[in-house]
Amino acid sequence: KAGVTQTPRYLIKTRGQQVTLSCSPISGHRSVSWYQQTPGQGLQFLFEYFSETQRNKGNFPGRFSGRQFSNSRSEMNVSTLELGDSALYLCASSFLANTGELFFGEGSRLTVL
Amino acid sequence: TQLLEQSPQFLSIQEGENLTVYCNSSSVFSSLQWYRQEPGEGPVLLVTVVTGGEVKKLKRLTFQFGDARKDSSLHITAAQTGDTGLYLCAGEGGNDMRFGAGTRLTVKP
Repeated sequence: KAGVTQTPRYLIKTRGQQVTLSCSPISGHRSVSWYQQTPGQGLQFLFEYFSETQRNKGNFPGRFSGRQFSNSRSEMNVSTLELGDSALYLCASSFLANTGELFFGEGSRLTVL
Repeated sequence: TQLLEQSPQFLSIQEGENLTVYCNSSSVFSSLQWYRQEPGEGPVLLVTVVTGGEVKKLKRLTFQFGDARKDSSLHITAAQTGDTGLYLCAGEGGNDMRFGAGTRLTVKP
């Protein structure tokens, strides 16, 4: 079965702009989590959605937001981009919520200039 | 906040050698996962351990969960170049998953 698909794979933005990233989970998976990965901080949890509801949110500013649609696809948005937002953004899906058995996409690499 | 500490941070060995990496925490986890991430890709789940003292084997990889469910180790026997990657442990606790910073393993031919 198809894996987790993230788009776009790479993008370059400038400070102050906003960005929207998309994630299509594995068919049948209703939970989608988002993580930010940087060399200095490692994998940091952003938020988790299950059945269109945000279940948990990590310690990120309000500029980071997300949503999930009825078909379980999810988007995350970062507004007013800062240089420090440059990172690999990873989406993971799972059948159950709050589980450690996650299936990750290849990520969206965001560079903020 | 449950913090997972992984050691060593970097490890470079020759093909054929054995190695062990560690994942430690002061908190108890209901389960713990190990992932491997290769450059340009997302992490891939290797194993889940649930029971204290549990040992799981995946070919040349042996995973152990501490008796108190606070720590875990990953042992690789006769490492191969294909084992190169970032090894991450993750713990289920509270309302979200926490990841360690990872051990970056390089296996040289």
